[in-house]
Amino acid sequence: GNSVTQMEGPVTLSEEAFLTINCTYTATGYPSLFWYVQYPGEGLQLLLKATKADDKGSNKGFEATYRKETTSFHLEKGSVQVSDSAVYFCALSGPGGNNRLAFGKGNQVVVIP
Amino acid sequence: KAGVTQTPRYLIKTRGQQVTLSCSPISGHRSVSWYQQTPGQGLQFLFEYFSETQRNKGNFPGRFSGRQFSNSRSEMNVSTLELGDSALYLCASSLGLGRNTEAFFGQGTRLTVV
Repeated sequence: GNSVTQMEGPVTLSEEAFLTINCTYTATGYPSLFWYVQYPGEGLQLLLKATKADDKGSNKGFEATYRKETTSFHLEKGSVQVSDSAVYFCALSGPGGNNRLAFGKGNQVVVIP
Repeated sequence: KAGVTQTPRYLIKTRGQQVTLSCSPISGHRSVSWYQQTPGQGLQFLFEYFSETQRNKGNFPGRFSGRQFSNSRSEMNVSTLELGDSALYLCASSLGLGRNTEAFFGQGTRLTVV
């Protein structure tokens, strides 16, 4: 079945540092890929998405490129802010006519001033 | 435009009881999915409804059930509660079906079983 693997453990970094969170996936066919963010006490918000190979999703300074050859969708941001502190989830959907999402375990990101 | 509304936000129940959670999707959205979030297992898919029909079901015991009404509102029910059912239950609504469809999540219902 479909599955998503995120790098283990929380990520702690200083303000203005470069952020990378690794995500790899296993899926049949051509899934869509997503990054969701969860702030404390909140539900999930879609951060960005990519629906086909080599697509780059971007939003609020975050970027991720759909790499089919490496089955990866790594999240990057060039200069993080304290307000970026949250939990980040990689997810995939499809193929098929349903909306079922498979999520990675998530990564807690803590940005220190 | 109102977002996805889940009620109640917090719930405390005793083992063996049953519970019903409610989700009102974004107006016009016909698909509702439910997820369980726990620290150990992460986010796990429960089921998905579209136009009152269950389209997909995750790997959960039969104690977990759901339904969708003609106005797209959805409820999920958990019977004979166990301590391990303590979790954040998230509802997501989508306009249609398909892998490109964006899911909008509610704030969740925090269920604690004691």
